[in-house]
Amino acid sequence: KQEVTQIPAALSVPEGENLVLNCSFTDSAIYNLQWFRQDPGKGLTSLLLIQSSQREQTSGRLNASLDKSSGRSTLYIAASQPGDSATYLCAVRLDAGNMLTFGGGTRLMVKP
Amino acid sequence: SQTIHQWPATLVQPVGSPLSLECTVEGTSNPNLYWYRQAAGRGLQLLFYSVGIGQISSEVPQNLSASRPQDRQFILSSKKLLLSDSGFYLCAWSAFDSGPQHFGDGTRLSIL
Repeated sequence: KQEVTQIPAALSVPEGENLVLNCSFTDSAIYNLQWFRQDPGKGLTSLLLIQSSQREQTSGRLNASLDKSSGRSTLYIAASQPGDSATYLCAVRLDAGNMLTFGGGTRLMVKP
Repeated sequence: SQTIHQWPATLVQPVGSPLSLECTVEGTSNPNLYWYRQAAGRGLQLLFYSVGIGQISSEVPQNLSASRPQDRQFILSSKKLLLSDSGFYLCAWSAFDSGPQHFGDGTRLSIL
């Protein structure tokens, strides 16, 4: 059974710092991995999706990497801003079906 | 562009009462549709998904049911709510099986 872990559960950084959020999964035979952002009391916003054949994806100040063999993905946020404060969730898909397995999320606070 | 709508945003219901949550998608046709529950401290759990009208797959046996009466409409129901049904319910869509999932703003359900 696929298990997805995100460490740390919470993170507080000063504005302007570059930071890395971690996601690990137990079954490395994944199809793709998706990173989401969730603001308090809101739904999820899709940030990046990495296919199993890809090593990284970039969108603006965000860069997600994937190392399937070690069962890890990282989300790198450059020059963090207070508006980046949210919970970040990673989710993996084992096959080309519909099942996403989510991690517990990392709650990020960027202080001005 | 595609949009997804969920309502109501919040709902307070007594134990034993029925439930109907609605989700609609605009700007796309024949989407895959999903219902998730996010319970406090437990992460996101896939409840149901649908690949077409009248086609429902259940991931977790429970007190809830789902229906898809129209191509872009997905309904989550219960005949008799339990206290354990409290949580944050999220609807999502994707254009194809392994595609990125896009979420609505969710419904906060409290059972008294």
